Amino acid sequence: AQSVTQLDSHVSVSEGTPVLLRCNYSSSYSPSLFWYVQHPNKGLQLLLKYTSAATLVKGINGFEAEFKKSETSFHLTKPSAHMSDAAEYFCVVSNRGGGNKLTFGTGTQLKVEL
Amino acid sequence: NAGVTQTPKFQVLKTGQSMTLQCAQDMNHEYMSWYRQDPGMGLRLIHYSVGAGITDQGEVPNGYNVSRSTTEDFPLRLLSAAPSQTSVYFCASKNPLASDTQYFGPGTRLTVL
Repeated sequence: AQSVTQLDSHVSVSEGTPVLLRCNYSSSYSPSLFWYVQHPNKGLQLLLKYTSAATLVKGINGFEAEFKKSETSFHLTKPSAHMSDAAEYFCVVSNRGGGNKLTFGTGTQLKVEL
Repeated sequence: NAGVTQTPKFQVLKTGQSMTLQCAQDMNHEYMSWYRQDPGMGLRLIHYSVGAGITDQGEVPNGYNVSRSTTEDFPLRLLSAAPSQTSVYFCASKNPLASDTQYFGPGTRLTVL
């Protein structure tokens, strides 16, 4: 069994300040973890993924996430928010190499203010 | 490559009507899946297929049918639409031998009146 908890449904930051979107996961097997972003009325775009290599994963648009097994966390960060980062972000888990099913978190809406 | 394509983009149905949501991919991916997205619930898996001729149920399969006659296409059929099926539907595909990454289509927004 696997599950994902996104700890904040809404996050609001000022432009130029750091972004932190929190995600905790549960998995019976070694997980693969993903962050997807969805801009309004658009599809889902992969930001970054963790499979089994380095625990600090760098993605597109300056985002990165750190896999912490001891804390079962995979938080998404960015040093400086931009207005274009305003979107909904989904943390996703799948069982690596085994089942193909993705389990999505309920999403975090990021608002970026001037 | 066009990637994953979905048609139509928008659809309005009346309760009881049937329709098929189309999904196609040109990446020769064996694995394809359908999700629905509802506010505050993330995406939930409806049905998936690990290859032509093979389909299986996901988390919320009731009211939906699928078939996979070719590698490229994975249509989703609503047999008798209900207002509870008002949602945004996403199709996705991946090559499980190469990567865990799933590629998503642009979505179909369905309203059932």
